[in-house]
Amino acid sequence: AQTVTQSQPEMSVQEAETVTLSCTYDTSENNYYLFWYKQPPSRQMILVIRQEAYKQQNATENRFSVNFQKAAKSFSLKISDSQLGDTAMYFCAFMTHNNAGNMLTFGGGTRLMVKP
Amino acid sequence: KAGVTQTPRYLIKTRGQQVTLSCSPISGHRSVSWYQQTPGQGLQFLFEYFSETQRNKGNFPGRFSGRQFSNSRSEMNVSTLELGDSALYLCASSRATTDTGELFFGEGSRLTVL
Repeated sequence: AQTVTQSQPEMSVQEAETVTLSCTYDTSENNYYLFWYKQPPSRQMILVIRQEAYKQQNATENRFSVNFQKAAKSFSLKISDSQLGDTAMYFCAFMTHNNAGNMLTFGGGTRLMVKP
Repeated sequence: KAGVTQTPRYLIKTRGQQVTLSCSPISGHRSVSWYQQTPGQGLQFLFEYFSETQRNKGNFPGRFSGRQFSNSRSEMNVSTLELGDSALYLCASSRATTDTGELFFGEGSRLTVL
């Protein structure tokens, strides 16, 4: 079974600064996806960024980037130039890359507060 | 393109009652999965349906059940409600083949059991 751990329950950052959210996971699978999902106070979960395990290059989406360390089973999210709208719960998630279906295993989440 | 729609958004039930929640996926999405979100347990996978068949099931008691219709809409049912069933229930949809792995979530149904 897969497990995902987010060791930072809460974090805060000043607007325009950079913050890094940590995530570690445990799996015996070799092919999988890793995700960061954002859940703003309105509750709808949206995808922030996605990484395929077979890709060595770290994924980047505008101000969001990841540091994927496959051997260490680490998948951190860096948010640059933080904005007030980044305030949300952030969930790290894992999905096995096979045809068995779509099932996400989530970490416990990190509540991020961006301060003006 | 309309997103994932969940109804009702809020509901209050008493212990022992049953509840049915509905989820309409994004058009063209054939996979629908359900998650329970609570402050104590976080986000936990309930089950996934694809082409009207349950493809995966999480570790929940048999009181939790679901189904999917031919138009891909899905319902989940919780019978004999317990206080601990109070949660936000999230539905997510995706294409059949997880070429990207991305799931699209609805806003959730907030269930309160008194």
